[in-house]
Amino acid sequence: AAGVIQSPRHLIKEKRETATLKCYPIPRHDTVYWYQQGPGQDPQFLISFYEKMQSDKGSIPDRFSAQQFSDYHSELNMSSLELGDSALYFCASSLGRTGYNEQFFGPGTRLTVL
Amino acid sequence: QKEVEQNSGPLSVPEGAIASLNCTYSDRGSQSFFWYRQYSGKSPELIMSIYSNGDKEDGRFTAQLNKASQYVSLLIRDSQPSDSATYLCAVNSDFGNEKLTFGTGTRLTIIP
Repeated sequence: AAGVIQSPRHLIKEKRETATLKCYPIPRHDTVYWYQQGPGQDPQFLISFYEKMQSDKGSIPDRFSAQQFSDYHSELNMSSLELGDSALYFCASSLGRTGYNEQFFGPGTRLTVL
Repeated sequence: QKEVEQNSGPLSVPEGAIASLNCTYSDRGSQSFFWYRQYSGKSPELIMSIYSNGDKEDGRFTAQLNKASQYVSLLIRDSQPSDSATYLCAVNSDFGNEKLTFGTGTRLTIIP
């Protein structure tokens, strides 16, 4: 079965640079979520989109922005990168946006900020 | 106090035995509960979802939910070395939104 696709899988950036992470949800899934997982930490919710509209927002820094496009893929844009932004970034998708909807995670993008 | 609490472990279980993983949550209004398995450096993989009090079984896995006690557990029967991973309990605490709140995870090691 098709899964969530994320690109790139690995990304190395310098401080103050920008990064763009992409997420392609499971076909027919209309809701996308972004999570950040630091070393030894649990995933922290950043932001979600339903039908191309932002639907929930968590602990996402103002330096980060995201959107969902007409084909339901989503991009997370990160500017003025800081060392503390080094983490695994996961995208998840679900069919529908009620709390009952199961979220399926992509393989993640490992971002390293030097 | 963290919203979702798990024993961090490590929890060591002999191969073939039952592994029991526990999770408590603070928001009494929470409606949906999920167990994810995460291998080191990999993404969380959904194992079970549970929404009603009682037990839900899927193969070797059984999830148990007790909303009165704000407690959810995962039992793994006939544990295999491939079950060695970190198990994350996730809760949807706000039904108007969809975000999952995760516990810090329990590291499980199955001893051959």
